[in-house]
Amino acid sequence: SQTIHQWPATLVQPVGSPLSLECTVEGTSNPNLYWYRQAAGRGLQLLFYSVGIGQISSEVPQNLSASRPQDRQFILSSKKLLLSDSGFYLCAWSPSHEQYFGPGTRLTVT
Amino acid sequence: DAKTTQPTSMDCAEGRAANLPCNHSTISGNEYVYWYRQIHSQGPQYIIHGLKNNETNEMASLIITEDRKSSTLILPHATLRDTAVYYCIVKGFQGAQKLVFGQGTRLTINP
Repeated sequence: SQTIHQWPATLVQPVGSPLSLECTVEGTSNPNLYWYRQAAGRGLQLLFYSVGIGQISSEVPQNLSASRPQDRQFILSSKKLLLSDSGFYLCAWSPSHEQYFGPGTRLTVT
Repeated sequence: DAKTTQPTSMDCAEGRAANLPCNHSTISGNEYVYWYRQIHSQGPQYIIHGLKNNETNEMASLIITEDRKSSTLILPHATLRDTAVYYCIVKGFQGAQKLVFGQGTRLTINP
């Protein structure tokens, strides 16, 4: 069966520090991959998606970037975090119509 | 993607059927209706989707009106663990499913 992993589960980082969040999917090949963010009290917002290795599409202009170095690995990065980057970051994959979400990373920028 | 309208909140007694409505009057012919839910502090969970016909799986049933302008998600025997925010999303099926989550319906199951 397929599983999706995200780490770390929680993270506290100072303003201006770099960020790297990793997501991996097991049990499938060539999945579509997604990064979402949910700010406190807000809805989910799609940040990036990828349909293949090295193929990244950005949905909103921001301080973040994404990369897909391997088929089942999706990385979210920032060179310098802002306070507004705080939130709940979720990775998801989809084989077809449905999307399956990971456990998420709760990021607090101080 | 068509806009959806859902009630902000609903309550249901444990063991009863929970019926969650969704209006999508501008839905186009090739757009699907998707339902997800988000339990507090967790990622969203896919529930069900449909195009024209009613659908049922182990989690829920989806009833789509004949004109496709509205739908109802039915949880047949609600439990306390079904307390969550439920999202109705309407979109076409493309290579990348770029979901847009609205405010959803906060469903509370009461003992």
